[in-house]
Amino acid sequence: DVKVTQSSRYLVKRTGEKVFLECVQDMDHENMFWYRQDPGLGLRLIYFSYDVKMKEKGDIPEGYSVSREKKERFSLILESASTNQTSMYLCASSLWGNRNTIYFGEGSWLTVV
Amino acid sequence: KNEVEQSPQNLTAQEGEFITINCSYSVGISALHWLQQHPGGGIVSLFMLSSGKKKHGRLIATINIQEKHSSLHITASHPRDSAVYICAVLGGIGGADGLTFGKGTHLIIQP
Repeated sequence: DVKVTQSSRYLVKRTGEKVFLECVQDMDHENMFWYRQDPGLGLRLIYFSYDVKMKEKGDIPEGYSVSREKKERFSLILESASTNQTSMYLCASSLWGNRNTIYFGEGSWLTVV
Repeated sequence: KNEVEQSPQNLTAQEGEFITINCSYSVGISALHWLQQHPGGGIVSLFMLSSGKKKHGRLIATINIQEKHSSLHITASHPRDSAVYICAVLGGIGGADGLTFGKGTHLIIQP
């Protein structure tokens, strides 16, 4: 089975802290995605990557950056966390040219205080 | 950009009832996903559809490409079916536009 693993399920961080959310997939997928989910807004795309060292902005990239140094790992970085970044963050991956099949991680719940 | 509407937003039913959740979208798609999210948990993909109908256990998903509409049905519903169900559509040729999500349907099945 494909597995998408998010390293932290629950985090509490202080305003201004630098936060790393890690996502690892074990099926050699080219495409990886970071979404956030908020009540009433649904899931929104922050960034995605279609290859190592490649990244594309999604719908809401402001306040975030990403890193894809290895194919299996896609990191979401909050350079200076703010309270409006309190949310559930979801990682996903899929094969290149086959975005029809997409696999999701378990989600990371981040609270910024 | 595709607009994805789900209905109802909230649904409470008794154990054993037949459940239907609807999803409509505005622009042609290459595929549609039905996702399930339990409280505090991650998201699981239940179905991926590009045409017709799929069945898995008590869950049935249908899609009508011409009408831009999909339904998720749960037969003989059970309290463990309580979750948020999310419709997500994949747009563009080969899914190049990525996923657009509905806002979800919060389902509660009471014993």
